[in-house]
Amino acid sequence: DAKTTQPNSMESNEEEPVHLPCNHSTISGTDYIHWYRQLPSQGPEYVIHGLTSNVNNRMASLAIAEDRKSSTLILHRATLRDAAVYYCIHLRTGANSKLTFGKGITLSVRP
Amino acid sequence: NAGVTQTPKFRILKIGQSMTLQCTQDMNHNYMYWYRQDPGMGLKLIYYSVGAGITDKGEVPNGYNVSRSTTEDFPLRLELAAPSQTSVYFCASSFATGVSYEQYFGPGTRLTVT
Repeated sequence: DAKTTQPNSMESNEEEPVHLPCNHSTISGTDYIHWYRQLPSQGPEYVIHGLTSNVNNRMASLAIAEDRKSSTLILHRATLRDAAVYYCIHLRTGANSKLTFGKGITLSVRP
Repeated sequence: NAGVTQTPKFRILKIGQSMTLQCTQDMNHNYMYWYRQDPGMGLKLIYYSVGAGITDKGEVPNGYNVSRSTTEDFPLRLELAAPSQTSVYFCASSFATGVSYEQYFGPGTRLTVT
């Protein structure tokens, strides 16, 4: 089963880095890790995804462990607008791969 | 480029009534999806479509119907509304399916059935 495990919540201070952890112990060789986030009263939005190597984009960085059983989403300087639910999704390869959303991790940002 | 739009934003239905939730995307995406999100929970896939004329069931399809007559539109139909269908409904689209394609989500429709 393509399940991920995340803490229920985390707190951060504004303008400090945030590291959001995720465990995906059943991941296999060609499965990807995707992160989405959901701001209050909005639909989810894509953040980043990766396979093996660390990935960077304008929103965040994704650090994937060498054994690929865990990963960390890094927000380099948290802003109040980053307060959201962050979903780590283990996406299996295949023609009908689907996003499976757990409860995610609720990030609070203190001013 | 409006992305994915959904109407209505809010709706209250009585038990047994029917309604259609509208979803339109202007990105020429082949794949479209309907999800529901209950309070404090993640999203669950109701139905999806891989192109015009092709639809398939997701995780929680009971009580819903869909159609896909055009690339742009993917309406979700509730025939006999029940309180268990009180939820927030999100439509999404993607260029393709697979591990490298991101989904784009609409703003959601908040539905209450009483």
